[in-house]
Amino acid sequence: GQQVMQIPQYQHVQEGEDFTTYCNSSTTLSNIQWYKQRPGGHPVFLIQLVKSGEVKKQKRLTFQFGEAKKNSSLHITATQTTDVGTYFCASQQGGSEKLVFGKGTKLTVNP
Amino acid sequence: DAGVIQSPRHEVTEMGQEVTLRCKPISGHNSLFWYRQTMMRGLELLIYFNNNVPIDDSGMPEDRFSAKMPNASFSTLKIQPSEPRDSAVYFCASSYYSGGPSYEQYFGPGTRLTVT
Repeated sequence: GQQVMQIPQYQHVQEGEDFTTYCNSSTTLSNIQWYKQRPGGHPVFLIQLVKSGEVKKQKRLTFQFGEAKKNSSLHITATQTTDVGTYFCASQQGGSEKLVFGKGTKLTVNP
Repeated sequence: DAGVIQSPRHEVTEMGQEVTLRCKPISGHNSLFWYRQTMMRGLELLIYFNNNVPIDDSGMPEDRFSAKMPNASFSTLKIQPSEPRDSAVYFCASSYYSGGPSYEQYFGPGTRLTVT
């Protein structure tokens, strides 16, 4: 079935540095969702991208969907300690509403 | 809205015992998902329901796992008999789906299961 590969698996940054996580697929994705899971918490929906080349921003977070709809990225500008957590991408599988989640990128921020 | 409600939040049981996890989805949502999360395997979909009907149970590990959704406001995931390798965090999530692109899924707080 469809899989999404996420890199890096871990990322440690100093507060104020930027952070980027990437999500890649060998097949065309119909859409991509991003979730954040704080330590000890549950995944929380951040955003969904549907259109080729789409770019969306949420304050310091920028989400992109590739032109070929085979990759996506989440970029955080000037990280803060509140950004700590694991970021997951997820793609819709086939024509169903089933989501396939990437393994996630665990972000730690050193104050 | 109270969000997705799961119980219990923590469960410690001995190998061989039956475990039942419970979930109440958000009112008005018509899809419900059960996930398992471990360090090794990440977040895995076990089964999902749409309008109370199981649609895809291909992620259910084996016959020891079963799930039901008797009505729109309640679902259970049962493990019988439980084994130490079942230790994980089990999440329930719900969404509203009417075809086309998936809608966002709302996750419950999870049940942390430890089987000794």
